[in-house]
Amino acid sequence: LAKTTQPISMDSYEGQEVNITCSHNNIATNDYITWYQQFPSQGPRFIIQGYKTKVTNEVASLFIPADRKSSTLSLPRVSLSDTAVYYCLVGDKWDTGRRALTFGSGTRLQVQP
Amino acid sequence: GAVVSQHPSWVICKSGTSVKIECRSLDFQATTMFWYRQFPKQSLMLMATSNEGSKATYEQGVEKDKFLINHASLTLSTLTVTSAHPEDSSFYICSASKGAVASDEQYFGPGTRLTVT
Repeated sequence: LAKTTQPISMDSYEGQEVNITCSHNNIATNDYITWYQQFPSQGPRFIIQGYKTKVTNEVASLFIPADRKSSTLSLPRVSLSDTAVYYCLVGDKWDTGRRALTFGSGTRLQVQP
Repeated sequence: GAVVSQHPSWVICKSGTSVKIECRSLDFQATTMFWYRQFPKQSLMLMATSNEGSKATYEQGVEKDKFLINHASLTLSTLTVTSAHPEDSSFYICSASKGAVASDEQYFGPGTRLTVT
């Protein structure tokens, strides 16, 4: 899996939109970008996956520019319950679905009231 | 669907004893399961890959005789921490892959917090 770089931490307030950017300069042609969320003392949870442009689901949006060397996870109107660590992973679908995942340091998001 | 459970959710044991942690895929068959360890404020670190019916593959630096992994069925993998010491206290998380069935994600258990006194 390609190496990724994310901010160590971010702070926000309830109701704000939060954007977490991940850099992955060595992304390969077949690689997808996947984000996981981990609450304290819980296992990671899949949030969203994308290949290019924009992907949106009920939880978040994922923006991927044309060169795919970075991606941005967007959380609309965060609440206190969105306080968690967010991990960005890059790899082809076979890897992300079937092989061991390499987690970077992740981004620790703290949402304040 | 695609739920993974772990048991126990937390355990406290005395130094020198052994502890078994179970990881179960509740509604799918998991040909491969992965065991991770996570220390406070740190990321998940892969310990081993467990394939049903075969020996586990351990990451460098993980003692296979200390962390015994058994993947006896397509829905159950167990991790036994033998002769536990306080430095083994950590959060142990398993994940399961659907294997040949196409999937974008892996499914993680809720984790087991081990405290060795």
